[in-house]
Amino acid sequence: DTEVTQTPKHLVMGMTNKKSLKCEQHMGHRAMYWYKQKAKKPPELMFVYSYEKLSINESVPSRFSPECPNSSLLNLHLHALQPEDSALYLCASSQGGGILNEQFFGPGTRLTVL
Amino acid sequence: TQLLEQSPQFLSIQEGENLTVYCNSSSVFSSLQWYRQEPGEGPVLLVTVVTGGEVKKLKRLTFQFGDARKDSSLHITAAQPGDTGLYLCAFRNSGGSNYKLTFGKGTLLTVNP
Repeated sequence: DTEVTQTPKHLVMGMTNKKSLKCEQHMGHRAMYWYKQKAKKPPELMFVYSYEKLSINESVPSRFSPECPNSSLLNLHLHALQPEDSALYLCASSQGGGILNEQFFGPGTRLTVL
Repeated sequence: TQLLEQSPQFLSIQEGENLTVYCNSSSVFSSLQWYRQEPGEGPVLLVTVVTGGEVKKLKRLTFQFGDARKDSSLHITAAQPGDTGLYLCAFRNSGGSNYKLTFGKGTLLTVNP
């Protein structure tokens, strides 16, 4: 199984809502990532979890809260988002941080904040 | 901060034409990856190059890594509409976090039938 799955595919939420994005991989990868991507731009790293511990937080606002319940699952909790947070949110995983660091991406969640 | 320059930013060609996309940096890469992203989907890893001078082929796609490991190119022969997408190069540099990839700005390719 070489797939990273993400749910939901699409999400529309108001600025006062609380929602969560979910990501799952069964490749035995020890690192998992959240990226944010605006249209026609490259992905921007938000968070990295390594061995279920938060390894990198790229100064992301606290309205985004990541969680790694186990080595296969990664969540992103959303609260009080702004319209400018509308984007494609990508999850990725990799074996670790070795020289190759080949990351495998999920299909993304298209988030719209009204 | 190590920067990655990718060019061209946009490319619109007719089916059957050839094209080349470039990735350059002033610093040495420990490895470099090429991804393709179709609209509404996540990036898909095409190839990883590690050794200076390395050439890898994937059907009609040819990837080259510069001898000094500071640049890379992606050449597509006889492009097809299915090649349409955002092409991204990304590197893990020699220093800094082991987990962080730096992406180029991407090349948005449109192949017209």
